[in-house]
Amino acid sequence: DAGVIQSPRHEVTEMGQEVTLRCKPISGHNSLFWYRQTMMRGLELLIYFNNNVPIDDSGMPEDRFSAKMPNASFSTLKIQPSEPRDSAVYFCASSQLGQGAANYGYTFGSGTRLTVV
Amino acid sequence: GENVEQHPSTLSVQEGDSAVIKCTYSDSASNYFPWYKQELGKGPQLIIDIRSNVGEKKDQRIAVTLNKTAKHFSLHITETQPEDSAVYFCAASLTVGGGADGLTFGKGTHLIIQP
Repeated sequence: DAGVIQSPRHEVTEMGQEVTLRCKPISGHNSLFWYRQTMMRGLELLIYFNNNVPIDDSGMPEDRFSAKMPNASFSTLKIQPSEPRDSAVYFCASSQLGQGAANYGYTFGSGTRLTVV
Repeated sequence: GENVEQHPSTLSVQEGDSAVIKCTYSDSASNYFPWYKQELGKGPQLIIDIRSNVGEKKDQRIAVTLNKTAKHFSLHITETQPEDSAVYFCAASLTVGGGADGLTFGKGTHLIIQP
């Protein structure tokens, strides 16, 4: 398995532009999580999906952020319009969760480093 | 919501010595406590985890202990090696009826192994 795949690895954009981050979870995993990592705030959970349905988006900072999971193998995190304070590393993680699941561990992707100038 | 505190933020030890990283959590209902290792330019990687019905778990040079009464858990690395240098994160989660929920992470510990 190739693991969790995120694209792009790096993104530099100008303030006000739309940014779309992409994630392909591990096949067979039923849960997908988007995290943001900064030096000041550490790893913050933005939103997570279970069986493609958003369960908790209380971590999404503002209406400028939105996430979708149209199918079990793809998710996007969109920021529109982007601002300099959105600069961070965004991680996607997937897991097989639920009753009877033997492993609760998350597998993280390599992240997307976003810089908004 | 859950709050996880992690200490120290930086830990420097001599190669071959032991390292201990400590975390506390706020929600007494949390019952799953994983530890992640993050190397430069990579995503966090699960190295060991423990559930609330277990007090200690070992995997070669790594061990985790859990004190539910005091709401704290610790990571112990023995015989440290240069490749152990990384940032380590503790986390906690509350699983409700076995359903999915997100992990709450500590702020991380930068472990430096001095040769």
